Amino acid sequence: NAGVTQTPKFRILKIGQSMTLQCAQDMNHNYMYWYRQDPGMGLKLIYYSVGAGITDKGEVPNGYNVSRSTTEDFPLRLELAAPSQTSVYFCASTIAGDIYNEQFFGPGTRLTVL
Amino acid sequence: GENVEQHPSTLSVQEGDSAVIKCTYSDSASNYFPWYKQELGKRPQLIIDIRSNVGEKKDQRIAVTLNKTAKHFSLHITETQPEDSAVYFCAASKRGYGGSQGNLIFGKGTKLSVKP
Repeated sequence: NAGVTQTPKFRILKIGQSMTLQCAQDMNHNYMYWYRQDPGMGLKLIYYSVGAGITDKGEVPNGYNVSRSTTEDFPLRLELAAPSQTSVYFCASTIAGDIYNEQFFGPGTRLTVL
Repeated sequence: GENVEQHPSTLSVQEGDSAVIKCTYSDSASNYFPWYKQELGKRPQLIIDIRSNVGEKKDQRIAVTLNKTAKHFSLHITETQPEDSAVYFCAASKRGYGGSQGNLIFGKGTKLSVKP
Protein backbone atom coordinates (compact mmCIF):
# COMPACT_ATOMS: atom_id res chain seq x y z
CA ASN A 1 0.00 0.00 0.00
CA ALA A 2 1.19 3.52 -0.80
CA GLY A 3 -0.83 4.89 2.14
CA VAL A 4 -1.71 8.59 1.84
CA THR A 5 -0.11 10.39 -1.09
CA GLN A 6 -0.07 14.10 -1.91
CA THR A 7 0.93 16.10 -4.95
CA PRO A 8 2.69 18.39 -5.54
CA LYS A 9 5.40 18.42 -2.87
CA PHE A 10 6.19 22.10 -3.40
CA ARG A 11 4.44 24.94 -5.18
CA ILE A 12 4.90 28.68 -5.52
CA LEU A 13 1.81 30.68 -6.47
CA LYS A 14 1.28 34.33 -7.26
CA ILE A 15 -1.44 36.26 -5.45
CA GLY A 16 -4.80 35.60 -7.07
CA GLN A 17 -3.82 32.35 -8.77
CA SER A 18 -5.71 29.12 -8.23
CA MET A 19 -4.57 25.58 -7.68
CA THR A 20 -5.68 22.17 -6.51
CA LEU A 21 -3.76 20.12 -3.99
CA GLN A 22 -4.24 16.43 -4.62
CA CYS A 23 -4.66 13.77 -1.96
CA ALA A 24 -5.28 10.07 -2.40
CA GLN A 25 -5.33 7.04 -0.12
CA ASP A 26 -5.43 3.35 -0.94
CA MET A 27 -6.41 2.01 2.48
CA ASN A 28 -10.19 2.16 1.87
CA HIS A 29 -10.51 4.76 4.63
CA ASN A 30 -13.83 6.57 4.69
CA TYR A 31 -12.69 9.58 6.75
CA MET A 32 -10.31 12.10 5.18
CA TYR A 33 -8.97 15.44 6.41
CA TRP A 34 -7.07 18.51 5.25
CA TYR A 35 -4.85 20.37 7.72
CA ARG A 36 -2.60 23.36 7.44
CA GLN A 37 0.52 23.72 9.54
CA ASP A 38 1.96 27.14 10.22
CA PRO A 39 5.24 27.53 12.14
CA GLY A 40 4.66 27.25 15.89
CA MET A 41 0.91 26.85 15.43
CA GLY A 42 0.30 23.16 15.28
CA LEU A 43 -2.19 21.61 12.87
CA LYS A 44 -5.45 23.33 12.03
CA LEU A 45 -8.30 21.46 10.36
CA ILE A 46 -9.50 23.02 7.10
CA TYR A 47 -12.10 20.55 5.83
CA TYR A 48 -13.01 16.94 6.43
CA SER A 49 -15.06 14.24 4.77
CA VAL A 50 -16.79 11.21 6.28
CA GLY A 51 -17.32 9.51 2.93
CA ALA A 52 -17.80 10.04 -0.79
CA GLY A 53 -20.12 12.95 -1.45
CA ILE A 54 -19.98 14.26 2.14
CA THR A 55 -17.75 17.15 3.22
CA ASP A 56 -17.81 19.62 6.08
CA LYS A 57 -15.89 22.65 7.34
CA GLY A 58 -13.20 22.48 9.97
CA GLU A 59 -11.64 25.29 12.02
CA VAL A 60 -10.17 27.35 9.16
CA PRO A 61 -12.17 26.77 5.92
CA ASN A 62 -12.15 30.31 4.47
CA GLY A 63 -10.43 30.53 1.11
CA TYR A 64 -10.61 26.79 0.42
CA ASN A 65 -13.00 24.32 -1.16
CA VAL A 66 -13.08 20.53 -1.28
CA SER A 67 -14.87 17.74 -3.06
CA ARG A 68 -15.06 13.99 -2.47
CA SER A 69 -16.34 12.12 -5.50
CA THR A 70 -14.60 8.85 -4.64
CA THR A 71 -13.48 7.11 -1.46
CA GLU A 72 -9.85 7.38 -2.55
CA ASP A 73 -9.49 11.06 -3.50
CA PHE A 74 -9.97 14.29 -1.55
CA PRO A 75 -8.65 17.34 -3.45
CA LEU A 76 -8.31 20.78 -1.84
CA ARG A 77 -8.94 23.82 -4.03
CA LEU A 78 -7.53 27.31 -3.50
CA GLU A 79 -9.43 29.74 -5.70
CA LEU A 80 -7.73 33.12 -5.13
CA ALA A 81 -4.41 32.53 -3.43
CA ALA A 82 -3.38 34.99 -0.72
CA PRO A 83 -0.08 35.32 1.21
CA SER A 84 -1.93 34.17 4.35
CA GLN A 85 -2.31 30.77 2.69
CA THR A 86 1.43 30.20 2.70
CA SER A 87 1.73 27.04 4.76
CA VAL A 88 2.40 23.32 4.74
CA TYR A 89 -0.71 21.33 3.91
CA PHE A 90 -1.25 17.80 5.16
CA CYS A 91 -3.92 15.36 4.11
CA ALA A 92 -4.85 12.56 6.49
CA SER A 93 -7.20 9.60 6.58
CA THR A 94 -8.63 7.10 9.03
CA ILE A 95 -10.97 4.19 8.71
CA ALA A 96 -13.57 5.82 10.98
CA GLY A 97 -13.38 9.17 12.72
CA ASP A 98 -15.57 8.46 15.68
CA ILE A 99 -13.73 5.51 17.19
CA TYR A 100 -10.19 5.05 18.41
CA ASN A 101 -8.36 4.73 15.11
CA GLU A 102 -5.10 6.27 14.03
CA GLN A 103 -5.06 9.11 11.53
CA PHE A 104 -2.47 8.50 8.82
CA PHE A 105 -0.86 11.57 7.30
CA GLY A 106 0.44 12.21 3.82
CA PRO A 107 3.92 13.68 3.19
CA GLY A 108 2.63 17.24 2.87
CA THR A 109 2.61 20.03 0.28
CA ARG A 110 4.66 23.16 0.97
CA LEU A 111 2.85 26.14 -0.60
CA THR A 112 4.25 29.65 -0.89
CA VAL A 113 2.08 32.54 -2.12
CA LEU A 114 3.99 35.60 -3.29
CA GLY B 1 -15.25 24.16 21.44
CA GLU B 2 -12.23 22.19 22.60
CA ASN B 3 -8.94 24.00 23.23
CA VAL B 4 -5.61 22.23 23.79
CA GLU B 5 -2.67 24.01 25.41
CA GLN B 6 0.81 22.44 25.19
CA HIS B 7 3.95 23.26 27.20
CA PRO B 8 6.80 23.83 26.84
CA SER B 9 7.19 25.05 23.27
CA THR B 10 10.85 24.03 23.26
CA LEU B 11 12.71 21.51 25.40
CA SER B 12 16.39 20.66 25.40
CA VAL B 13 17.76 17.64 27.30
CA GLN B 14 20.98 15.68 27.48
CA GLU B 15 21.04 12.22 25.97
CA GLY B 16 19.92 9.71 28.59
CA ASP B 17 17.80 12.21 30.53
CA SER B 18 14.02 12.14 30.69
CA ALA B 19 11.70 14.55 28.88
CA VAL B 20 8.17 15.51 29.88
CA ILE B 21 5.67 17.42 27.74
CA LYS B 22 2.35 18.54 29.21
CA CYS B 23 -1.02 19.32 27.65
CA THR B 24 -4.27 20.62 29.06
CA TYR B 25 -7.69 20.43 27.44
CA SER B 26 -10.89 22.35 28.04
CA ASP B 27 -13.74 19.99 27.10
CA SER B 28 -14.41 17.44 29.85
CA ALA B 29 -16.19 15.23 27.28
CA SER B 30 -12.94 14.61 25.36
CA ASN B 31 -12.00 10.97 25.65
CA TYR B 32 -9.16 10.25 23.24
CA PHE B 33 -5.67 11.75 23.49
CA PRO B 34 -3.05 10.83 20.87
CA TRP B 35 0.53 12.03 20.62
CA TYR B 36 2.22 12.59 17.27
CA LYS B 37 5.92 12.90 16.48
CA GLN B 38 7.05 14.98 13.51
CA GLU B 39 10.65 14.84 12.39
CA LEU B 40 12.03 17.77 10.41
CA GLY B 41 10.43 17.93 6.97
CA LYS B 42 8.39 14.77 7.56
CA ARG B 43 4.76 13.93 8.21
CA PRO B 44 3.29 13.58 11.74
CA GLN B 45 3.18 10.00 12.97
CA LEU B 46 1.28 8.55 15.90
CA ILE B 47 3.56 7.35 18.68
CA ILE B 48 1.14 6.62 21.50
CA ASP B 49 -2.44 7.34 22.52
CA ILE B 50 -4.61 7.01 25.59
CA ARG B 51 -8.33 6.75 26.19
CA SER B 52 -10.17 8.42 29.04
CA ASN B 53 -10.85 5.15 30.85
CA VAL B 54 -7.10 4.59 31.36
CA GLY B 55 -4.78 6.58 33.62
CA GLU B 56 -1.44 5.53 32.16
CA LYS B 57 -0.07 3.71 29.13
CA LYS B 58 3.50 2.66 28.37
CA ASP B 59 5.31 1.58 25.23
CA GLN B 60 9.00 0.89 25.85
CA ARG B 61 10.61 4.30 26.62
CA ILE B 62 7.42 6.27 26.05
CA ALA B 63 4.55 6.69 28.49
CA VAL B 64 1.46 8.88 28.64
CA THR B 65 -0.48 9.78 31.77
CA LEU B 66 -3.96 11.24 31.98
CA ASN B 67 -5.60 13.16 34.83
CA LYS B 68 -9.26 13.57 33.89
CA THR B 69 -10.11 15.60 36.98
CA ALA B 70 -7.46 18.21 36.19
CA LYS B 71 -7.98 17.81 32.43
CA HIS B 72 -4.35 17.34 31.61
CA PHE B 73 -2.21 14.64 30.06
CA SER B 74 1.53 14.26 29.69
CA LEU B 75 4.08 12.50 27.50
CA HIS B 76 7.11 11.02 29.24
CA ILE B 77 10.19 9.90 27.32
CA THR B 78 12.88 8.12 29.34
CA GLU B 79 16.52 7.48 28.38
CA THR B 80 16.29 10.00 25.56
CA GLN B 81 18.33 9.45 22.41
CA PRO B 82 19.33 11.86 19.63
CA GLU B 83 16.75 10.24 17.33
CA ASP B 84 14.03 11.40 19.73
CA SER B 85 14.73 14.95 18.52
CA ALA B 86 11.54 16.12 16.78
CA VAL B 87 8.39 18.17 17.28
CA TYR B 88 5.77 16.45 19.41
CA PHE B 89 2.07 17.29 19.19
CA CYS B 90 -0.66 16.35 21.60
CA ALA B 91 -4.29 16.23 20.52
CA ALA B 92 -7.75 15.63 21.97
CA SER B 93 -11.07 14.50 20.59
CA LYS B 94 -14.47 13.14 21.55
CA ARG B 95 -14.68 9.74 19.98
CA GLY B 96 -18.06 8.10 19.72
CA TYR B 97 -20.00 11.35 19.47
CA GLY B 98 -20.01 11.45 15.69
CA GLY B 99 -19.56 14.23 13.16
CA SER B 100 -17.12 17.04 13.89
CA GLN B 101 -16.87 16.13 17.56
CA GLY B 102 -14.61 13.25 16.69
CA ASN B 103 -12.11 15.54 15.00
CA LEU B 104 -8.68 16.01 16.54
CA ILE B 105 -7.78 19.36 18.12
CA PHE B 106 -3.99 19.74 18.26
CA GLY B 107 -1.69 21.56 20.62
CA LYS B 108 0.90 23.91 19.13
CA GLY B 109 3.75 21.45 19.50
CA THR B 110 6.95 21.04 21.50
CA LYS B 111 10.33 21.02 19.80
CA LEU B 112 12.49 18.49 21.64
CA SER B 113 16.25 18.58 21.17
CA VAL B 114 18.35 15.76 22.60
CA LYS B 115 22.02 16.69 22.85
CA PRO B 116 24.58 13.88 22.57
